[in-house]
Amino acid sequence: QMQLVQSGAEVKKTGSSVKVSCKASGYTFTYRYLHWVRQAPGQALEWMGWITPFNGNTNYAQKFQDRVTITRDRSMSTAYMELSSLRSEDTAMYYCAGAYYYDSSGPPTGFDPWGQGTLVTVSS
Amino acid sequence: QSVLTQPPSVSAAPGQKVTISCSGSSSNIGNNYVSWYQQLPGTAPKLLIYENNKRPSGIPDRFSGSKSGTSATLGITGLQTGDEADYYCGTWDSSLSVWVFGGGTKLTVL
Repeated sequence: QMQLVQSGAEVKKTGSSVKVSCKASGYTFTYRYLHWVRQAPGQALEWMGWITPFNGNTNYAQKFQDRVTITRDRSMSTAYMELSSLRSEDTAMYYCAGAYYYDSSGPPTGFDPWGQGTLVTVSS
Repeated sequence: QSVLTQPPSVSAAPGQKVTISCSGSSSNIGNNYVSWYQQLPGTAPKLLIYENNKRPSGIPDRFSGSKSGTSATLGITGLQTGDEADYYCGTWDSSLSVWVFGGGTKLTVL
């Protein structure tokens, strides 16, 4: 059974960086794209970007383009999301999620499963 | 302001049926598959529907999805108190080159 397990909660200072991990199990790591989605308290879900575990290719939402870096370690079946220049508005739950694709050349068609989430709190 | 528009809340009695709408445009819903997610309080989202109307293994047929033009609908029949949650629609936006979610709909089972 495909499962994603994320690292624990983080408390960070304004202007610093945070790196969240997402460890995959129950399937071949390179077979599923991994996406990152965040949710500020009481707010809707917000997509951040994805990584292709096979070759490390990434695609980021323009909003986060300058601050986010998604990487992976194939030997550890783990993906990472690093967000820099943190500000208070980045306080949120961060999720990784595996993606469905109708065909390999098209966009994702759904996300399943999801990691349990990692709460990142940014304060001065 | 979300690209996809959902009603903030819906409610219905146990055993009844409810529908949740998701309105978009030709650059997102109109030309891409829609998926739906259930988020119970304090938990991660869970996929209910993908590719407009397909259910992942383990999702009961009380949950259904449909799409017409630039709108999509999630239907839930035989409502249970355990269905109380936030529900989100999502799809790819080809113009923005991003995945977009709706603002979420809070379901109350009275």
